[in-house]
Amino acid sequence: GAVVSQHPSWVICKSGTSVKIECRSLDFQATTMFWYRQFPKQSLMLMATSNEGSKATYEQGVEKDKFLINHASLTLSTLTVTSAHPEDSSFYICSASGDYPEIQYFGAGTRLSVL
Amino acid sequence: KQEVTQIPAALSVPEGENLVLNCSFTDSAIYNLQWFRQDPGKGLTSLLLIQSSQREQTSGRLNASLDKSSGRSTLYIAASQPGDSATYLCAVCPPGGGNKLTFGTGTQLKVEL
Repeated sequence: GAVVSQHPSWVICKSGTSVKIECRSLDFQATTMFWYRQFPKQSLMLMATSNEGSKATYEQGVEKDKFLINHASLTLSTLTVTSAHPEDSSFYICSASGDYPEIQYFGAGTRLSVL
Repeated sequence: KQEVTQIPAALSVPEGENLVLNCSFTDSAIYNLQWFRQDPGKGLTSLLLIQSSQREQTSGRLNASLDKSSGRSTLYIAASQPGDSATYLCAVCPPGGGNKLTFGTGTQLKVEL
């Protein structure tokens, strides 16, 4: 149980386009979802926390207009990278927690390459 | 601000060897500490979670210890296997912090035949 599906696993896009990444909890209700960013050979950096039905809370230094997060249901959160640029190229990982908030279940990640 | 450091950054050992990975954190006020495994280009798999009141947790060949007062945790892997090759990350959760994890820099482990 406790599976988090992230889609797509890999996306290549042109500079200036927007990219949407989906994160779904398949077998539990995710009251909270987290979005992380990971650069090569570096650790995960929390970008934002989202609770179902409310606005996401962004970490310091993360542009909320650049990285749009929607958590419209208890099983789905989306991250949209707007007007992507090459410096946005990174590995994005989502996680979700439900009845046991201290337990986060992670998606497999999305590798974004902006040309 | 909590900072989490892992040493060594990379480690290569022969199969069968026992090994220890280290994690240190600057703020001892934590709710729990977790160890994760990350395979290349993949997400994270939780290995062990230690609550702040606990000293250690064990799962199979893995044993994690926590010394909160000194800001340290270790992950002990017994009888290492090539399948253990991965990056190991530790992460700490602050008390009342809404489960916002602060991750370490990771240790890249390679177990050779």
